[in-house]
Amino acid sequence: DAGVIQSPRHEVTEMGQEVTLRCKPISGHDYLFWYRQTMMRGLELLIYFNNNVPIDDSGMPEDRFSAKMPNASFSTLKIQPSEPRDSAVYFCASSPRIANQPQHFGDGTRLSIL
Amino acid sequence: GESVGLHLPTLSVQEGDNSIINCAYSNSASDYFIWYKQESGKGPQFIIDIRSNMDKRQGQRVTVLLNKTVKHLSLQIAATQPGDSAVYFCAENTGGFKTIFGAGTRLFVKA
Repeated sequence: DAGVIQSPRHEVTEMGQEVTLRCKPISGHDYLFWYRQTMMRGLELLIYFNNNVPIDDSGMPEDRFSAKMPNASFSTLKIQPSEPRDSAVYFCASSPRIANQPQHFGDGTRLSIL
Repeated sequence: GESVGLHLPTLSVQEGDNSIINCAYSNSASDYFIWYKQESGKGPQFIIDIRSNMDKRQGQRVTVLLNKTVKHLSLQIAATQPGDSAVYFCAENTGGFKTIFGAGTRLFVKA
């Protein structure tokens, strides 16, 4: 079975540019999560969706970040404008239920903002 | 605030030996705990989980122990292999709404 699929795997862009990260969750999973991983802060939850509806976006660092889930099989995380401090690995994960179920992670997008 | 922390950031073991990775959590209301393994260039991968009504659970070569009295979680890996080299994260769910991840422990397996 296909796991969580993220694209691109790597992204290098100059500060000020718009960045869009993409995620396809596992079919049938109701919950989708976006995380950011850095050496300094570890894995941080940015936002999560239930049945395509954003439930908690308190982890989104600022208004430059936005996430959408137009349908059950696709989500985007957008940064506009991007800044060097946004450089990190961004992970998408999905789970069939949020309570007492492990999350399934994609292999991430490594983002470098120059 | 709530946090999940690890005592040892790096652990080095000889191939064939048993490994023990420890984790302290601070929220006594957490009711579900998970261990993930992350290899270089990949996302975290589920290893084993345990619910708060249990104190031990075994999988294939792995055992998770939960001590709610001292809020401590451990992952034991039997007969550690080179393929076990990775970063290991403990994580906790509180009320099922969010998963909080620990800082991670890097496991090195020496051949």
